[in-house]
Amino acid sequence: GAVVSQHPSWVICKSGTSVKIECRSLDFQATTMFWYRQFPKQSLMLMATSNEGSKATYEQGVEKDKFLINHASLTLSTLTVTSAHPEDSSFYICSASIPTGGENGYTFGSGTRLTVV
Amino acid sequence: SQKIEQNSEALNIQEGKTATLTCNYTNYSPAYLQWYRQDPGRGPVFLLLIRENEKEKRKERLKVTFDTTLKQSLFHITASQPADSATYLCAPGQGSSNTGKLIFGQGTTLQVKP
Repeated sequence: GAVVSQHPSWVICKSGTSVKIECRSLDFQATTMFWYRQFPKQSLMLMATSNEGSKATYEQGVEKDKFLINHASLTLSTLTVTSAHPEDSSFYICSASIPTGGENGYTFGSGTRLTVV
Repeated sequence: SQKIEQNSEALNIQEGKTATLTCNYTNYSPAYLQWYRQDPGRGPVFLLLIRENEKEKRKERLKVTFDTTLKQSLFHITASQPADSATYLCAPGQGSSNTGKLIFGQGTTLQVKP
């Protein structure tokens, strides 16, 4: 089945540094990928929609200069958290639509737990 | 603004019983609604999609209903098992079910006791 691989699964970084999270579609081409953030005991909040070869579309309130998204190929989208601060600590998850049809929903990566100290 | 509400309190049921989870939405006219399962520390896993012109959809022990008049979807798990314990998320969507963005409810945690 369609698999989305997300790395790293967890990362601890110092305040002020940048962290890159990768999301790869392993056995299909993902024209569109989505990036979510999830705080403890809360739902997934959509951050941005990433389209291959074009600029990402950010949701209202999400700083595009802080959360850099690059979708340079049909199998790879990256999210870079720049100048990370403790309030950026969260669970980040990517997803992609499965090209076999809308009845199969979206496939999600396993998530990245970011802790900024 | 668009609002999606799921039972915020955990649902505790006995093994073998039917679990019923509710998803209500306001200020929104979704073309379809998806249900996902999420285990702690993991990404969501797709379960079922139901479209606005479908009243009910089934998959093994799962059943989903979609009432556009009540603006509500119900998610049922029959003959529940402890392995069904997880958080269940509803996600109404618009546009293409292939590329449209989803807005998630806050999820309902189900605990099935043996």
